[in-house]
Amino acid sequence: AQKITQTQPGMFVQEKEAVTLDCTYDTSDPSYGLFWYKQPSSGEMIFLIYQGSYDQQNATEGRYSLNFQKARKSANLVISASQLGDSAMYFCAMREGSTGFQKLVFGTGTRLLVSP
Amino acid sequence: DAMVIQNPRYQVTQFGKPVTLSCSQTLNHNVMYWYQQKSSQAPKLLFHYYDKDFNNEADTPDNFQSRRPNTSFCFLDIRSPGLGDAAMYLCATSRDRGVHQPQHFGDGTRLSIL
Repeated sequence: AQKITQTQPGMFVQEKEAVTLDCTYDTSDPSYGLFWYKQPSSGEMIFLIYQGSYDQQNATEGRYSLNFQKARKSANLVISASQLGDSAMYFCAMREGSTGFQKLVFGTGTRLLVSP
Repeated sequence: DAMVIQNPRYQVTQFGKPVTLSCSQTLNHNVMYWYQQKSSQAPKLLFHYYDKDFNNEADTPDNFQSRRPNTSFCFLDIRSPGLGDAAMYLCATSRDRGVHQPQHFGDGTRLSIL
C-alpha cells in the first residue's frame, strides 16, 4: 500500500490566487513527521514546511500553510497568493519514527503551473 | 548561503567509466544521504551516513558506493555506470535521524551516460 498519495498529477492556478495541493498518508505509527518539498525544473529540492503528528496547530511558513487533518490522514499544502516562481513539482513526504531509522517516503508529486 | 553543495551540477561519463560525485555541507549535520531521482519520479534513497556509520538500502546496487572522510564531505562512487544510471543525484543532510528533522538538499548533480 502506498504510504503517501498525491492524487493530482498536475494543477493550474492563476497568479495571486490560492491553491491547495492534496496529500494523504497511511501509517499506524503514532509518531511521524510530514514534509513538503518544492522542486523547480532546475532540480534542487527545497524544504517548505513540516508538520509533526503530535502538533496541535497547523504549520505555517510565510505563504505556505499545511492543512493537517489527522483523523482523515491528510496533510494538504495551501499556497496563498500564487506567484509565477511557484511553478514547480511539489512532493509530500513522511517519516515514521517509533521503531529505529525510517527513511523519508515521498509521494509521486504534483506539478503546479502558475499562469499570469 | 549555500549550505549543501554538490559538484558538479552536470556530469557526463562514458558507459563503464567510474565516476565520483561530491557533496559538502556547512551545516555540521550528523547525517548525510544520497538519493537517485529519475525523470518524473520521486527521489529514491540509496544510502546514508549517520556520523561515520554507513547504512545501505537493501535494493541499492553494488555498483554504488559511498565515502564520508569527514563530517563535511560525502562522495558517491559509481564503479561501472550503465545507461540505467543516468539520473539526478541528490545529496541531503539532517541534524540527526529523528522523525522531526527536515532534510536539506543540495542542487543535485545531473548524470548523463554516453
